[in-house]
Amino acid sequence: AQKVTQAQTEISVVEKEDVTLDCVYETRDTTYYLFWYKQPPSGELVFLIRRNSFDEQNEISGRYSWNFQKSTSSFNFTITASQVVDSAVYFCALRGGTDKLIFGTGTRLQVFP
Amino acid sequence: DTGVSQNPRHKITKRGQNVTFRCDPISEHNRLYWYRQTLGQGPEFLTYFQNEAQLEKSRLLSDRFSAERPKGSFSTLEIQRTEQGDSAMYLCASSPADRASGELFFGEGSRLTVL
Repeated sequence: AQKVTQAQTEISVVEKEDVTLDCVYETRDTTYYLFWYKQPPSGELVFLIRRNSFDEQNEISGRYSWNFQKSTSSFNFTITASQVVDSAVYFCALRGGTDKLIFGTGTRLQVFP
Repeated sequence: DTGVSQNPRHKITKRGQNVTFRCDPISEHNRLYWYRQTLGQGPEFLTYFQNEAQLEKSRLLSDRFSAERPKGSFSTLEIQRTEQGDSAMYLCASSPADRASGELFFGEGSRLTVL
């Protein structure tokens, strides 16, 4: 079975703080893909980043970075120097041997000015 | 606008009525997905199509739910004899079939409220 767990229900930070969103996944597939999506109040899920199971190299893209560790089945996402516009619900998702995304329950991020 | 389009954006209905949602995917995408999202939860997979073929249905999709994609373009999701538990956001997404690793592109959703 595939499962994604986001233990943090809600996080509040003050603008310019760094914030890390945690994600733990379960899968028996050897090939899989991990994603982070953002859902602003408008409701549309917006794709942020993707990582495949072959590559554990962590990367930085602008203010976003991610830490993928297969040994702990974790795919954490960090926003550096957070901004009020980053306020949204963030979902971690897994795509394994099937063609569908399995989502976690989401983490609501509130960034205060 | 070349994104995924869903309508209506919001539907309020009385218990027992039938409702239908429409999704227009990104034109070159041949995979189309339906998800349901309730308050405070992540999206839950309902079903997906490759072209006009419905390839997988979740156990969440009871007999009252039916989805179609007759010409491999737009899709409809119909809920018959609605119940209050059907109140949720229904999300549509699309993707190209040749990108197994690819992300799904989501529409803004259709919110259903059953009174």
